Amino acid sequence: DGGITQSPKYLFRKEGQNVTLSCEQNLNHDAMYWYRQDPGQGLRLIYYSQIVNDFQKGDIAEGYSVSREKKESFPLTVTSAQKNPTAFYLCASRDRANYGYTFGSGTRLTVV
Amino acid sequence: QKEVEQDPGPLSVPEGAIVSLNCTYSNSAFQYFMWYRQYSRKGPELLMYTYSSGNKEDGRFTAQVDKSSKYISLFIRDSQPSDSATYLCHGAISNFGNEKLTFGTGTRLTIIP
Repeated sequence: DGGITQSPKYLFRKEGQNVTLSCEQNLNHDAMYWYRQDPGQGLRLIYYSQIVNDFQKGDIAEGYSVSREKKESFPLTVTSAQKNPTAFYLCASRDRANYGYTFGSGTRLTVV
Repeated sequence: QKEVEQDPGPLSVPEGAIVSLNCTYSNSAFQYFMWYRQYSRKGPELLMYTYSSGNKEDGRFTAQVDKSSKYISLFIRDSQPSDSATYLCHGAISNFGNEKLTFGTGTRLTIIP
């Protein structure tokens, strides 16, 4: 079955550490996205990529970094510069012909 | 300013009732409108997809778009406890990749058995 796989499902990080969240899709979608979801704030766009080796900042990119070396993969690194990283992170993808997103099941990151 | 506004609820209705979920939007360039359902601790899943104005029906679900008033709605008939979830509305314009600030914050719905 085609879909998006995010791993891990739960992640704990100590303050001052970088951590990388994985996102893989086998839908052959061109575009991939990272969103952050906090209670009462909805989905906020961190980064997105429409093509391999290219990506753009979203609304809350500070403290995050991404790469898009393969069409299938779009990992997100949460750096120590992100002041409030505890959140639910969602990866999504879509193709040019379809305006609906396909979402992964999310990664819940907790800073301890 | 958010381009899509949505009442966060929570909204509780008895089983079997008709549910009405609503969003307003400010960007006249929106042409595509979507509703997502998100269960607790899961990713959102696409529920309904509508282009421009009008209604679209799929089983117990009806999506309605009124571009003149910039109002989008989702109706759920014969609501079931399994419909308890957060519902997100989403608007999109025609150029690929312009997704900033287009999701509503979500309405949390509980169907009471």
